[in-house]
Amino acid sequence: QSALTQPASVSGSPGQSITISCTGSSSDVGGYNYVSWYQQHPGKAPKLVIYEVNNRPSGVPDRFSGSKSGNTASLTISGLQAEDEADYYCSTYTSSSTVIFGGGAKLTVL
Amino acid sequence: EVQLLESGGGLVQPGGSLRLSCAASGFTFTSYAMTWVRQAPGKGLQWVSTITGSGVGTYYADSLKGRFTISRDNSRDTLYLQMNSLRAEDTAVYYCAQGPMTRGFDPWGQGTLVTVSS
Repeated sequence: QSALTQPASVSGSPGQSITISCTGSSSDVGGYNYVSWYQQHPGKAPKLVIYEVNNRPSGVPDRFSGSKSGNTASLTISGLQAEDEADYYCSTYTSSSTVIFGGGAKLTVL
Repeated sequence: EVQLLESGGGLVQPGGSLRLSCAASGFTFTSYAMTWVRQAPGKGLQWVSTITGSGVGTYYADSLKGRFTISRDNSRDTLYLQMNSLRAEDTAVYYCAQGPMTRGFDPWGQGTLVTVSS
């Protein structure tokens, strides 16, 4: 199964909002509300920031939000902060009972 | 506090085998599905395998099926990944994480590096 499609890079200034897209198919993103998003800082393990499309784990700021429309999911970070600079990966459950990740998007805070 | 500690990584020759372990603490291990995810140097994340809390259900990435085997010992609160017929492209940091395939993986261990090279 192919990886989900994410932009390679996104950027924004402190205080602004950015959105990272994640495009799949009707067999994965579009077929289930099981999209997750992970934040990974250099040299660190990934951290879950959104699960089941739009749910935040305890401790994740409400600046992070998720949504989905058709075969595309999105992660929005509002009120951008320097500490948000990281790689972001989407993932989803698939109709083959597997999980696939996106290629990752590098967020730069200008 | 939930803690996951991977071990067992290292240098192995192509065609060799390795068994990774993930020691869990801070939660009722048998109640949670567990997952392995890997990340090749400078690359993105790749889901490897998930096992249900009881150990009865196992799921694998199609590209790894037949070479990798996930298992768990609920009496020792430990997750395993047996890797056989290793190839250079299996070189990666291997992370264990708590959680089923549908609800996101959280938290993650610090990872263990596997290098396949002659």
